[in-house]
Amino acid sequence: SQQGEEDPQALSIQEGENATMNCSYKTSINNLQWYRQISGRGLVHLILIRSNEREKHSGRLRVTLDTSKKSSSLLITASRAADTASYFCATDAYQAAGNKLTFGGGTRVLVKP
Amino acid sequence: DAGVTQSPTHLIKTRGQQVTLRCSPKSGHDTVSWYQQALGQGPQFIFQYYEEEERQRGNFPDRFSGHQFPNYSSELNVNALLLGDSALYLCASSGGQEYYEQYFGPGTRLTVT
Repeated sequence: SQQGEEDPQALSIQEGENATMNCSYKTSINNLQWYRQISGRGLVHLILIRSNEREKHSGRLRVTLDTSKKSSSLLITASRAADTASYFCATDAYQAAGNKLTFGGGTRVLVKP
Repeated sequence: DAGVTQSPTHLIKTRGQQVTLRCSPKSGHDTVSWYQQALGQGPQFIFQYYEEEERQRGNFPDRFSGHQFPNYSSELNVNALLLGDSALYLCASSGGQEYYEQYFGPGTRLTVT
């Protein structure tokens, strides 16, 4: 079963615009991570935000986390054609053994030049 | 510093056959996780190996099995292949100071005909 649900499912923007996508999850988490996948290949790790953090930045990426609403958002500023990809959020709930990730269905972002 | 590597890149098998996929983790990582990603969906957790043992398992049948070697590399075996096993199989590694961040390989595209 998929823990996270991304919204919107697809997004089309012009180069230079900002892209925002949201992720909701169902159970308590330890961390939330965002990944990028281009052309159905391997996932690239973008950023990890811990459950006790509210906001994190990495270059043109800004991630927020609201554990009371069980939701997160990913903002990509000044988008580029190279940002065209699918973006996934993934959560892990700390267990005694293991750190498996549960993924949402992804947001497909198209950045038009 | 090599990242996560997987082999082969593509594979075509016939229903009922068996397949073995291979993964080498990122240097310094000791934990390997396997995910199945159907077209247009997010990855689904299959299982995770640590210290040569299966530490966690997702909702996959016993036809899916794995192994981890002393050098931390891992194999995923799928027996009695079904058409529905056609997917991208992703390996991810983690460990050490990067316990929660999972780094993915490029994947193996399996097609079952």
